[in-house]
Amino acid sequence: EVQLVESGGGLVQPGESLRLSCAVSGFTFSSHAMIWVRQAPGKGLEWISYIRPATDTIYYADSVKGRFTISTDDAKNSLSLQMNSLRVEDTGVYFCARDHGSSWASFAYWGQGSLVTVSS
Amino acid sequence: QSALTQPRSVSGSPGQSVTISCTGTSSDIGGYNFVSWYQQHPGKAPKLMIYDVRKRPSGVPDRFSGSKSGNTASLTISGLQPEDEADYYCCSYGGSYHLAIFGGGTKLTVL
Repeated sequence: EVQLVESGGGLVQPGESLRLSCAVSGFTFSSHAMIWVRQAPGKGLEWISYIRPATDTIYYADSVKGRFTISTDDAKNSLSLQMNSLRVEDTGVYFCARDHGSSWASFAYWGQGSLVTVSS
Repeated sequence: QSALTQPRSVSGSPGQSVTISCTGTSSDIGGYNFVSWYQQHPGKAPKLMIYDVRKRPSGVPDRFSGSKSGNTASLTISGLQPEDEADYYCCSYGGSYHLAIFGGGTKLTVL
């Protein structure tokens, strides 16, 4: 069974850093693309970062480029998102998700979400 | 790249059919056959309902169907059931630097 479990969320002040983790199981981690998607309170979904470990391909949305860093730890079957210089508008629930095979923009498995609150 | 445009809300009675539209541009929906749809119940993670415009993942009822015409994609839910009440999001590939463009979401109410 495929499982994704996020951790690391919390309350931080503007300008501070936070690291999210996503522990995965039930599939060969390095064979799939992974993404982070966030959802501001009462708002829609926003893709923020993508990684395909097999090809070392990484992309970021403009809203987080230069501040967030996505990475994987194959030995630990874990995906991470290092978030620096956090802003109030980064507040939301952060989901990690796995692709659906070779298709683009389709994500078949999702974690339960981790709440990040940026507030002074 | 701007978010895809969806109606804020739609509604229908049990047993009826509803269609949710999702409008983009020739750079996203119109340019690729990579449109997906997600169902999200309050406080839960999104669930993939349709991918590649019209394909259903294993376990998704065939009451859910997808289509596309030009720059607009659509999700049709037939035989509405109370448990279909949720938020629905469309998503399209928009090229290497716009990997997943989401719509603003549509709240489906089953009357």
